[in-house]
Amino acid sequence: DTAVSQTPKYLVTQMGNDKSIKCEQNLGHDTMYWYKQDSKKFLKIMFSYNNKELIINETVPNRFSPKSPDKAHLNLHINSLELGDSAVYFCASSQQGAGELFFGEGSRLTVL
Amino acid sequence: GQSLEQPSEVTAVEGAIVQINCTYQTSGFYGLSWYQQHDGGAPTFLSYNALDGLEETGRFSSFLSRSDSYGYLLLQELQMKDSASYFCAVMGNTGFQKLVFGTGTRLLVSP
Repeated sequence: DTAVSQTPKYLVTQMGNDKSIKCEQNLGHDTMYWYKQDSKKFLKIMFSYNNKELIINETVPNRFSPKSPDKAHLNLHINSLELGDSAVYFCASSQQGAGELFFGEGSRLTVL
Repeated sequence: GQSLEQPSEVTAVEGAIVQINCTYQTSGFYGLSWYQQHDGGAPTFLSYNALDGLEETGRFSSFLSRSDSYGYLLLQELQMKDSASYFCAVMGNTGFQKLVFGTGTRLLVSP
């Protein structure tokens, strides 16, 4: 039973398209995140939600719009995709104040 | 802001001991975490230090010195499966949880 699951695992799309990635956690955590890992393996936080409320937005272009319908789900919608958006996007969750994040398996986005 | 520095690559042989260092700069500090990531996989949690000193978990130990803004991950009895990237990550005192990752250290274990 996967703790943090995200779909799809792979997306290949053309520049200018819109795509979404979904994330669900069954750990009962109240905080969820989106991280972007680029080709140099640098992991950069994008968004953090606590109990469905946005608490961190790390100067991400507004083409990226996260949505948290409930505290177990955090989705990421990306409009007008650009070549530089190609990366692996990781969803993660944690209990607030804990130093341990649980990551999903990642969604590899390739923009052509 | 927050920034972390760690070596880009470390090599070692099976059975050896290796230490991966991490220095950080942060405007506030809650703790330092370590994560392991195999190629194509997800980062997985290894350890968390909020206080100075050494935390031991099996073959892996992590050390923190808050006064020096420094920590390290110590891996003992290296195995081939330990070949992976290792990230330190700092949680700053921003009033809510935000984990900022270092650039990662690639560990190559050879026979």
